Amino acid sequence: DGGITQSPKYLFRKEGQNVTLSCEQNLNHDAMYWYRQDPGQGLRLIYYSQIVNDFQKGDIAEGYSVSREKKESFPLTVTSAQKNPTAFYLCASSAPRSLGTGVGSSYEQYFGPGTRLTVT
Amino acid sequence: QKEVEQNSGPLSVPEGAIASLNCTYSDRGSQSFFWYRQYSGKSPELIMSIYSNGDKEDGRFTAQLNKASQYVSLLIRDSQPSDSATYLCAVNDYKLSFGAGTTVTVRA
Repeated sequence: DGGITQSPKYLFRKEGQNVTLSCEQNLNHDAMYWYRQDPGQGLRLIYYSQIVNDFQKGDIAEGYSVSREKKESFPLTVTSAQKNPTAFYLCASSAPRSLGTGVGSSYEQYFGPGTRLTVT
Repeated sequence: QKEVEQNSGPLSVPEGAIASLNCTYSDRGSQSFFWYRQYSGKSPELIMSIYSNGDKEDGRFTAQLNKASQYVSLLIRDSQPSDSATYLCAVNDYKLSFGAGTTVTVRA
């Protein structure tokens, strides 16, 4: 059964603690992403990785760190430096789809079920 | 200017009517456009992707793309209560830019 799994579904932490969110995929996708969603808002990109052992900062990377040691796994660490960590965290993966010669590729992204992090 | 903007909603439509959702984007070079559906408390689910100007139909959903005007829309025909959700427009090169979403409520 192919898909993306995230664990845990709910996570509660005290302020000042680092916490690591898990994301695993068995879709054989090269690219993986982390987003954050706050109530009533769209998704904001934290980090993404197009291949193993390589990743780039997204729009809101401050206070977060990632690793990509295996194709299947892209864990996200929320550090104590993140000022407002309480949010819904979404992991996604994608594979390139050619749009035609000279046009480029598209990357349809598929999401895991998410982890809801609450920091008090 | 935000990269991707959607009509703010919420949008309330009677069952059986057409729901029309609009999205504009700022990057004229964008090639890929997506609509995601997100039920309350759940993760987004890809429902439509469109890459060429014109219409693309899939069941009760029709996506429309106009690159010259930089807008993409989603029509939901014969709206059902199960269509009640937030719909996110996304525009892509290799990393998606999302709109804030439009919440649709289908009333019976």
